[in-house]
Amino acid sequence: GENVEQHPSTLSVQEGDSAVIKCTYSDSASNYFPWYKQELGKRPQLIIDIRSNVGEKKDQRIAVTLNKTAKHFSLHITETQPEDSAVYFCAASSSFQKLVFGTGTRLLVSP
Amino acid sequence: EPEVTQTPSHQVTQMGQEVILRCVPISNHLYFYWYRQILGQKVEFLVSFYNNEISEKSEIFDDQFSVERPDGSNFTLKIRSTKLEDSAMYFCASSAHRGGKNIQYFGAGTRLSVL
Repeated sequence: GENVEQHPSTLSVQEGDSAVIKCTYSDSASNYFPWYKQELGKRPQLIIDIRSNVGEKKDQRIAVTLNKTAKHFSLHITETQPEDSAVYFCAASSSFQKLVFGTGTRLLVSP
Repeated sequence: EPEVTQTPSHQVTQMGQEVILRCVPISNHLYFYWYRQILGQKVEFLVSFYNNEISEKSEIFDDQFSVERPDGSNFTLKIRSTKLEDSAMYFCASSAHRGGKNIQYFGAGTRLSVL
């Protein structure tokens, strides 16, 4: 079955810096890759997603890139703000099935 | 904006007791899921449900677990005889599979504490 690896487990940046979180997946059949943000004690919230027929997608300060050949995808956050502090999970899915989540990255943005 | 709602927000139970966690998916969604998250760990898939039947389940979802859609709006997860290791946050999710994307929306979760 699918296995998703995520790095780093923690990431500390200064406000205004960029943050990059990387994930790899194992199942070449996976074709949908969402990113969720989870604040402490709250539900995971979708922040951006990408399908396998697209290499990059951007939404304001957030972008996701996908390399299907290498089976990895990354989340890029530019101009980070303290409110970006949270745990970020990548996930992979194939054929409208379950989401397989990565282990999460705790992002801390210091003012 | 429509949301997935879950009740209760926190459930405390004794080991061996049965619990039912309730979810109301977004009204026009057809695919329903249960996930769990042990404190400090990643979100793990339990079961998916479509067209009134289980479409996939994980190894975690053993005979102690069951799901039901008793009416047109509720989606429940039952744990027959809870164990200490069932303590976790349980999330319900639903999706509509639009545009070829399996966009899953999560409820706020039920924190299950087994004593």
